[in-house]
Amino acid sequence: QSVLTQPPSVSGAPGQRVTISCTGSSSNIGAGYDVHWYQQLPGTAPKLLIYGNSNRPSGVPDRFSGSKSGTSASLAITGLQAEDEADYYCQSYDSSLSVRVFGGGTKLTVL
Amino acid sequence: EVQLVESGGGLVQPGGSLRLSCAASGFTVSSNYMSWVRQAPGKGLEWVSVIYSGGSTYYADSVKGRFTISRDNSKNTLYLQMNSLRAEDTAVYYCARDLLYYDSTKGPAPFDYWGQGTLVTVSS
Repeated sequence: QSVLTQPPSVSGAPGQRVTISCTGSSSNIGAGYDVHWYQQLPGTAPKLLIYGNSNRPSGVPDRFSGSKSGTSASLAITGLQAEDEADYYCQSYDSSLSVRVFGGGTKLTVL
Repeated sequence: EVQLVESGGGLVQPGGSLRLSCAASGFTVSSNYMSWVRQAPGKGLEWVSVIYSGGSTYYADSVKGRFTISRDNSKNTLYLQMNSLRAEDTAVYYCARDLLYYDSTKGPAPFDYWGQGTLVTVSS
């Protein structure tokens, strides 16, 4: 059971907008720790997608955006494309466990 | 260009040992925070261990006392010595670098570079 909770799967048609939630608690996201998001394409290593809740590294399209509120964070993908089909993971820090924690991952299917 | 290349994975019997290596190029390992993150087959990501630039090390409870993270500055290489291996340690192991100059008051930095991973299988 992951400390951060993500939906196992989401789906959307090309061009649509999807969101992926990441729900934590008062010892991680709710404590003010930043949330980072990673994209893992099939058979590859994770890639940093969003850091510090809403910042995009150089090269990441602005179709990807992140937000955080209270004990939760969200990743939004607009203008869905076939190449967005991947697993997405949120990550933060938990002060009770004193470790970096990941969500269980969400598989995005582009219909 | 920043690159991380892991090696050393393989098949090992329960109770056995293995040492993973992560050769870095394009930056200096000793000047960065470096972690190991693992992913069991078909499962999510799990942080395993970190070594800070100052040399401090930290571990997940699941590997504490069995795994040791270290680095060789002359070889610019990160290591993970894994002892007393268990079936539940079976996973792809990634080395990853923390983003530099991150505001640590908001928690640890994200991992901005990852290696391609090396598979460790613990089985008899």
